[in-house]
Amino acid sequence: QKEVEQDPGPLSVPEGAIVSLNCTYSNSAFQYFMWYRQYSRKGPELLMYTYSSGNKEDGRFTAQVDKSSKYISLFIRDSQPSDSATYLCAMPTQGGYNKLIFGAGTRLAVHP
Amino acid sequence: KAGVTQTPRYLIKTRGQQVTLSCSPISGHRSVSWYQQTPGQGLQFLFEYFSETQRNKGNFPGRFSGRQFSNSRSEMNVSTLELGDSALYLCASSPRRDSDTQYFGPGTRLTVL
Repeated sequence: QKEVEQDPGPLSVPEGAIVSLNCTYSNSAFQYFMWYRQYSRKGPELLMYTYSSGNKEDGRFTAQVDKSSKYISLFIRDSQPSDSATYLCAMPTQGGYNKLIFGAGTRLAVHP
Repeated sequence: KAGVTQTPRYLIKTRGQQVTLSCSPISGHRSVSWYQQTPGQGLQFLFEYFSETQRNKGNFPGRFSGRQFSNSRSEMNVSTLELGDSALYLCASSPRRDSDTQYFGPGTRLTVL
């Protein structure tokens, strides 16, 4: 079993839909959770990060963490074609903040 | 502020050769990490350098090595290339080891024939 599981999709939604992206993790020592977005032929860019359980909102994006279930989510409201990308969850391992373990990434396509 | 730059962007090599990839972090950033991204294994941590010292290492064979220079620029080297080394190699920089944000470069696409 991988330490971080993420459904690779692909996920195809119409413009304006609410998108839910999810990851599960097995190591209860993980305390800090990140979401990266990666466009084709580009490096990942950090979208959001959160330390605690609960919700964190940034514009159309909401990150949600449920530590009791070891489950994290990223919600995208009013999705746009420009949101079409691969979304990766990531967590620092016990090696430190700069040693990240990533989910497989979910490919999202938002069609007009 | 300029982002993380990686050179070259694309590289084609043959089995058995060696390759060196270069990464220039964001100005002022002292920590550089390297990752390998493949369709099958996803993004996997290779190693982290800080103050010219390797601080963390992932689960890769000894053919993968790296170094960091006094100006924080970093190189990684892969010797005796195998077909399975074909991947996107990503470099990420951060200001410190305890920074909660890493900034990724565009990557070097390595193809091994």
